[in-house]
Amino acid sequence: SSELAQDPAVSVALGQTVRITCQGDSLRRYYATWYQQKPGQAPVCVIYGKNNRPSGIPDRFSGSNSGSTASLTITGAQAEDEADYFCNSRDTSGNHLVFGGGTKLTVL
Amino acid sequence: EVQLVESGGGLVKPGGSLRLSCAASGFTFSSYNMNWVRQAPGKGLEWVSFISSSSSYIYYADSVKGRFTISRDNAKNSLYLQMNSLGAEDTALYYCARDSSDYYQPNPPDYWGQGTLVTVSS
Repeated sequence: SSELAQDPAVSVALGQTVRITCQGDSLRRYYATWYQQKPGQAPVCVIYGKNNRPSGIPDRFSGSNSGSTASLTITGAQAEDEADYFCNSRDTSGNHLVFGGGTKLTVL
Repeated sequence: EVQLVESGGGLVKPGGSLRLSCAASGFTFSSYNMNWVRQAPGKGLEWVSFISSSSSYIYYADSVKGRFTISRDNAKNSLYLQMNSLGAEDTALYYCARDSSDYYQPNPPDYWGQGTLVTVSS
């Protein structure tokens, strides 16, 4: 299996743009899905596939991919975006899922 | 509305067993692959197991293989996780999560339940 690496914490000023990254060998083959998790709540998908947003997710959330790195960008971060963000994809075997360790986003 | 409701969590002694259940509604359960994902207190997410819609394909994380068994009953719209030989490292909130694809391999989930807490302690 392979691992996905994320920065443990990132901060952004209110209204500014922030990029959260996820690195791993499996991302050369599979797209990452991004989840937002707020305290005491289940994860919610914000980006899946190449750059798709589920219904109800604001368009300030976007995704991109380059080589072994997937990125989640929040353009114009809002206070309600403060949360933990996890990336997820299949591992290199294809038979397991693997999650990144999570990035705690603080909106200043 | 898709709903996934887990149950069966609780306090269990090391070496003990527990069976988790997940009741699904709001979608055609028999057409969807399913996953179990867990989260230790204050930690990140860890994928546990996958089962295809017809139970033909089953995969486990290395950390639980040989101890946990995933199963489903499509007639009852239910997913299960039998957990044996539990250790402190299995203490976590266990989520039932619907797979986002009908492929024979696991895909990132699109819907999650609220989780059921398993605590392994003497």
